[in-house]
Amino acid sequence: NAGVTQTPKFQVLKTGQSMTLQCAQDMNHNSMYWYRQDPGMGLRLIYYSASEGTTDKGEVPNGYNVSRLNKREFSLRLESAAPSQTSVYFCASSESGWLYEQYFGPGTRLTVT
Amino acid sequence: AQRVTQPEKLLSVFKGAPVELKCNYSYSGSPELFWYVQYSRQRLQLLLRHISRESIKGFTADLNKGETSFHLKKPFAQEEDSAMYYCALSGSGGSNYKLTFGKGTLLTVNP
Repeated sequence: NAGVTQTPKFQVLKTGQSMTLQCAQDMNHNSMYWYRQDPGMGLRLIYYSASEGTTDKGEVPNGYNVSRLNKREFSLRLESAAPSQTSVYFCASSESGWLYEQYFGPGTRLTVT
Repeated sequence: AQRVTQPEKLLSVFKGAPVELKCNYSYSGSPELFWYVQYSRQRLQLLLRHISRESIKGFTADLNKGETSFHLKKPFAQEEDSAMYYCALSGSGGSNYKLTFGKGTLLTVNP
């Protein structure tokens, strides 16, 4: 049981390049999430998917797009990377509903130069 | 709107001393509160949540609705408790599956 996996672990991009961060979970969870973690800012929700086929904006969605490919996979795309998107990105999953804990992936450290 | 405030960015204590990490929240409905922990080079994981009323690794947290607080406490800190701690809130009802995190408190337990 791998839990939540993310690829890649590290990435360096030049301004204007695009890339997709991949996330998969094997816990049969309905809900999946993308966060960014910045020093002094905590974790901020970028997008989430309450269930397969639905996606919604979180607190900081600008500059990002997401795809809920199937129940297992939830990808985050940066169409035109900017230095302000330098961050650590975490994917998480949970059962549906507000009482359930979220399980986090190991994170992707992204640097945009 | 829901908000979580952790007033201390950094907290440093000595081994064996009591520790309290503060968390205050703002939410108009009935919240569920969580504490998540991130040890060095490890992924974020749940430490405890209000609904379970458990003590995990010696930590406890009590929800005080009057003061809108969910402070995390441990009577005797250990060096292995050094980590980043995040308080988080989830709102009740409907399709609100979102967690709102505080900005985190970095706890250092000195030998």
